[in-house]
Amino acid sequence: QVQLVQSGAEVKKPGASVKVSCKASGYTFTSYDINWVRQATGQGLEWMGWMNPNSGNTGYAQKFQGRVTMTRNTSISTAYMELSSLRSEDTAVYYCARVSGIGSGRGWFDPWGQGTLVTVSS
Amino acid sequence: QSVLTQPPSVSEAPRQRVTISCSGSSSNIGNNAVNWYQQLPGKAPKLLIYYDDLLPSGVSDRFSGSKSGTSASLAISGLQSEDEADYYCAAWDDRLNGVVFGGGTKLTVL
Repeated sequence: QVQLVQSGAEVKKPGASVKVSCKASGYTFTSYDINWVRQATGQGLEWMGWMNPNSGNTGYAQKFQGRVTMTRNTSISTAYMELSSLRSEDTAVYYCARVSGIGSGRGWFDPWGQGTLVTVSS
Repeated sequence: QSVLTQPPSVSEAPRQRVTISCSGSSSNIGNNAVNWYQQLPGKAPKLLIYYDDLLPSGVSDRFSGSKSGTSASLAISGLQSEDEADYYCAAWDDRLNGVVFGGGTKLTVL
């Protein structure tokens, strides 16, 4: 079945970077865009950006421009989201999600990864 | 402050029907498809409705979606305790060139 499995929880200090992975299985990795969404504790969903695994093209939310980088390794069907210059407000669960329908973020997200908790604390 | 506006909470008794509204603008709901996601406590979101009113395979037909102009709605009939969750609407926004979410609605089944 189609599945996205994310890397484990991370604890980082302010100013550091974090790289979260998202391994796809059950479908052709390069045929569907991947989006990243985060959720702070007790808060709503916040879209971060999208990546086309075939071309490597990306699109980022303005809020994260300059701090986020989305990449992929097609040989192992894995997408990555790296967030730099971390601050306490970046503490959240980060989700990857496959896009169906129209690409980038215009389609619907299904399935989602299980989420990765990133804690930023000194 | 979310771009799409949802009520923070709704509640209804078992076996009743409830609707959750999602209000946007011409740059998002008014010109793009709306998708709905269900998030059970402690779980990742799950697709519930796509392209305004389509039901993914495996999702109960107690769930339905609709859209008119710059607003969308999610209806849940025959409420069950297992429906207690947070519900989010989402759409592409042409002006922001990105996906926008509603703030989420917490459903309580009394």
